[in-house]
Amino acid sequence: GNSVTQMEGPVTLSEEAFLTINCTYTATGYPSLFWYVQYPGEGLQLLLKATKADDKGSNKGFEATYRKETTSFHLEKGSVQVSDSAVYFCALSLSGSARQLTFGSGTQLTVLP
Amino acid sequence: DGGITQSPKYLFRKEGQNVTLSCEQNLNHDAMYWYRQDPGQGLRLIYYSQIVNDFQKGDIAEGYSVSREKKESFPLTVTSAQKNPTAFYLCASSIPRGGTDTQYFGPGTRLTVL
Repeated sequence: GNSVTQMEGPVTLSEEAFLTINCTYTATGYPSLFWYVQYPGEGLQLLLKATKADDKGSNKGFEATYRKETTSFHLEKGSVQVSDSAVYFCALSLSGSARQLTFGSGTQLTVLP
Repeated sequence: DGGITQSPKYLFRKEGQNVTLSCEQNLNHDAMYWYRQDPGQGLRLIYYSQIVNDFQKGDIAEGYSVSREKKESFPLTVTSAQKNPTAFYLCASSIPRGGTDTQYFGPGTRLTVL
């Protein structure tokens, strides 16, 4: 079956530190990959996505590269801000399927001033 | 502005009662979804609908029911058969388009059973 594994949190960083949140996946076929962010008490917002191998998704200083050889989609940001504190979810969906996203368990990020 | 609205934001229910959560979208999206989120966990799919008057069970459909009479609306009923309904419920929509089924989420409804 399909699954997504994220590094366990919580992650606590100081402002301006470098961020990496690891994400690996297992899928039958060639999935699209997503990072969503959830701020406290809110729904999920799409942060970035990549639809094929070697694609790089980027938004708001965050980046992730679709690595087929390592089945990974790690999220990175060079300099985090306090406002980046949130829960980050990695997810996949399979080509041609409108059925569902498969989510990782989420990683809580706290950035301290 | 286009978007997805969910109401109410907070909902309290007594054991044994059915309750319906609203989800409306004006994005002209064909597909709609309901997810359940429990503390410290990812989202799990309850039901989804790709077109009006059609819907399919997700991974955890037991104790839930849905309808899709209009493209814009996809209400979820949590029935008394759902043994542990306290959770955060998220609605989403998308335009199924090739392999890039990006889903857009509403703000969620937090249901508490008293």
